[in-house]
Amino acid sequence: KAGVTQTPRYLIKTRGQQVTLSCSPISGHRSVSWYQQTPGQGLQFLFEYFSETQRNKGNFPGRFSGRQFSNSRSEMNVSTLELGDSALYLCASSPRRGIERMNTEAFFGQGTRLTVV
Amino acid sequence: SQQGEEDPQALSIQEGENATMNCSYKTSINNLQWYRQNSGRGLVHLILIRSNEREKHSGRLRVTLDTSKKSSSLLITASRAADTASYFCATARGSYNTDKLIFGTGTRLQVFP
Repeated sequence: KAGVTQTPRYLIKTRGQQVTLSCSPISGHRSVSWYQQTPGQGLQFLFEYFSETQRNKGNFPGRFSGRQFSNSRSEMNVSTLELGDSALYLCASSPRRGIERMNTEAFFGQGTRLTVV
Repeated sequence: SQQGEEDPQALSIQEGENATMNCSYKTSINNLQWYRQNSGRGLVHLILIRSNEREKHSGRLRVTLDTSKKSSSLLITASRAADTASYFCATARGSYNTDKLIFGTGTRLQVFP
């Protein structure tokens, strides 16, 4: 079974530009979450999608948005990029099955390393 | 903001020694998970312990959970150079409506051959 796939792996953008990152979850997983990892703030929750609906959003400005498609693939978009948006963006998918769905691990992709210059 | 703190922030040991990492968290949880990250890559799930469990083993890993102290520890026995990585604890509040994880600050483990 293929793992979580994130594209692109590396990205360099200029301040003020916008960027779209993509995440394909493991087949059959309908829950997709996004995290931002920086040296200063560590791993921060961005948002979470399930069946094309955003269920939770972290404490990030409105410049950060996302969506999920009917095939569970997810994208996140950052508009008007700032230097501080440079980070590793990680996507995770989780299975949601029966009564165990509160105790399931998350499967992470390799991340997209975004550098804003 | 992050839920938990981990200590130590960094740990250096020789191969064959044991490594212990500690994690503290702030709110009630449904489960606590440990993840490993190699050099800025993706996170790999190591072990999950539920709030009603006190200890769990998986190979060379042993995890304990003390919900009264809101703390957990990860013990890696007989460490190997390949264990060199950053280790993160993550807590799940436990809801049918979310898979959100709140991560600790992480421990960087260096194992010297």
